[in-house]
Amino acid sequence: DARVTQTPRHKVTEMGQEVTMRCQPILGHNTVFWYRQTMMQGLELLAYFRNRAPLDDSGMPKDRFSAEMPDATLATLKIQPSEPRDSAVYFCASGLVLHGGTEAFFGQGTRLTVV
Amino acid sequence: GIQVEQSPPDLILQEGANSTLRCNFSDSVNNLQWFHQNPWGQLINLFYIPSGTKQNGRLSATTVATERYSLLYISSSQTTDSGVYFCAVERKDYGQNFVFGPGTRLSVLP
Repeated sequence: DARVTQTPRHKVTEMGQEVTMRCQPILGHNTVFWYRQTMMQGLELLAYFRNRAPLDDSGMPKDRFSAEMPDATLATLKIQPSEPRDSAVYFCASGLVLHGGTEAFFGQGTRLTVV
Repeated sequence: GIQVEQSPPDLILQEGANSTLRCNFSDSVNNLQWFHQNPWGQLINLFYIPSGTKQNGRLSATTVATERYSLLYISSSQTTDSGVYFCAVERKDYGQNFVFGPGTRLSVLP
């Protein structure tokens, strides 16, 4: 059963702490996306990778967020230091390019609460 | 960048009713997907449909790329269809991957 796996599912942390979210993409997929979902902003693209290379991270606050793919089976999103406004659900998706487009499949998300 | 609109923003149906959800986008796209976010927050793929028509059970979708819209049809709705339906578009040469619309919130009442 191929699926995108995200850990942890829930995280509560204090302001100022480092947060690391992990994503295991579907085997064979060559594209990974990170999204953030809030009530106010909806689903926002933070970063995406193709063949482990970052292609676009313009949606990510660079001063505190970083995204990496140390290998093809792991993508990470870090926030350091975390702030209450970072509270949101963070989704990872992996995709396979099809006929010029990418079909994306989403993980279950990490619900982050920063207090 | 590409703008994505969805209508209606909210929809309440009685179980068994049919519905049509619409997604408009402001420029030509390489890809369009429909997703269902269930009440537990999970985003589920419904259709990968850059053009043409597809059907999967009670759901079907049509994308008219030249006119920049897509429609999602739900027939004989069930309470399990409740949630938020998103369309997302991809335009590779703009570097904009999967710009999501604001969603249509569907409530199906028993």
